[in-house]
Amino acid sequence: GAGVSQTPSNKVTEKGKYVELRCDPISGHTALYWYRQSLGQGPEFLIYFQGTGAADDSGLPNDRFFAVRPEGSVSTLKIQRTERGDSAVYLCASSLTGEARAFFGQGTRLTVV
Amino acid sequence: AQSVTQLDSHVSVSEGTPVLLRCNYSSSYSPSLFWYVQHPNKGLQLLLKYTSAATLVKGINGFEAEFKKSETSFHLTKPSAHMSDAAEYFCVVSAISGGYNKLIFGAGTRLAVHP
Repeated sequence: GAGVSQTPSNKVTEKGKYVELRCDPISGHTALYWYRQSLGQGPEFLIYFQGTGAADDSGLPNDRFFAVRPEGSVSTLKIQRTERGDSAVYLCASSLTGEARAFFGQGTRLTVV
Repeated sequence: AQSVTQLDSHVSVSEGTPVLLRCNYSSSYSPSLFWYVQHPNKGLQLLLKYTSAATLVKGINGFEAEFKKSETSFHLTKPSAHMSDAAEYFCVVSAISGGYNKLIFGAGTRLAVHP
């Protein structure tokens, strides 16, 4: 596609529920990143995929968070037993391998009530 | 470890006056540095990047930044602010980790432009 696409753009869920956030990267980009941006802060790294594998998941805050990229393209960030503190904008970015520049999607705003 | 510090959380200027957004970085080797802009309800857009070529980097919309190794700074400037420049600006350093570039963001500077 023309850019990184994230769906849904907004998600409101109840505390304790499970959510999935989708990222469709730019075609041909093998590197994919997830970031989380809390209110008033800069984006914080969550996880990086090179192809299908998670090469670095050191930013995932706990084991309620999990991400997959089964075919090396679309990625899904999964959050179990959501908590109010998970409320944030979740950003996805993609790049060509070895390229410093990453292209960002518009994000999914997650609100846990 | 790599990090960035944006020295001002908020900057307010009048339309037509210069803009200065300050950023200091910490890196154990020659870094790649970026400025991104985020308009309300829009995605992050790359303004400019420094990757060890010319120290004065020109970006989009009239913005530029100068890499100063001696001061570990990468301040963003624009000679004349427009109303449309009002947004959140992020200074970013690229940290090479495991063979890939992990972006480390500053906390952001919110730029307000007044008529």
